[in-house]
Amino acid sequence: DTGVSQDPRHKITKRGQNVTFRCDPISEHNRLYWYRQTLGQGPEFLTYFQNEAQLEKSRLLSDRFSAERPKGSFSTLEIQRTEQGDSAMYLCASSSHRDGGFWTQYFGPGTRLLVL
Amino acid sequence: AQTVTQSQPEMSVQEAETVTLSCTYDTSESDYYLFWYKQPPSRQMILVIRQEAYKQQNATENRFSVNFQKAAKSFSLKISDSQLGDAAMYFCAYRSPPGGTSYGKLTFGQGTILTVHP
Repeated sequence: DTGVSQDPRHKITKRGQNVTFRCDPISEHNRLYWYRQTLGQGPEFLTYFQNEAQLEKSRLLSDRFSAERPKGSFSTLEIQRTEQGDSAMYLCASSSHRDGGFWTQYFGPGTRLLVL
Repeated sequence: AQTVTQSQPEMSVQEAETVTLSCTYDTSESDYYLFWYKQPPSRQMILVIRQEAYKQQNATENRFSVNFQKAAKSFSLKISDSQLGDAAMYFCAYRSPPGGTSYGKLTFGQGTILTVHP
């Protein structure tokens, strides 16, 4: 199995611009998660999908954030009108129901966003 | 809401020695799942070990083992025979059972930076 992949790995943008990140989960994993991690902190949950359905969104996911998983495979996370406070590492993870109830989440390498 | 606390921001250990990282959590749920993840510098997060709350037996994975104390809501990680490659940030994480308030997501602690001295 290939792991979770994310693209791009790094993104530098100017305040006010829109950015979009992509996540490709492990094949056959039906759940996909997005987290945000700031330097020296633990990841914070943003949202997750089961297949195409977005089942939960954190209050951290403001109106400027939107996530999609149109065909139940890859997912995109878009941030509109970026702010300097959006600078962080955005992590994607995926999990499978074939995991004895654990739904262990396997993480990608992350996309590091810097908003100038 | 569940919370996870890692009270040791930094720990250090000599190569080949044993170190224990602490984690406590707060929950009103009786069944749940606990995880330890490792995040090396500038590298991705990987699973170290996991535990189901209803299983009393402590999980082990090679040099890694946990001390799960359900009544105390404690889930510490023991690393035996420490190696230079164990140096990383370690995160403890909690997940609710099906139907629980945070069933889908992981709630992470603040992390513990582990340094391994040769």
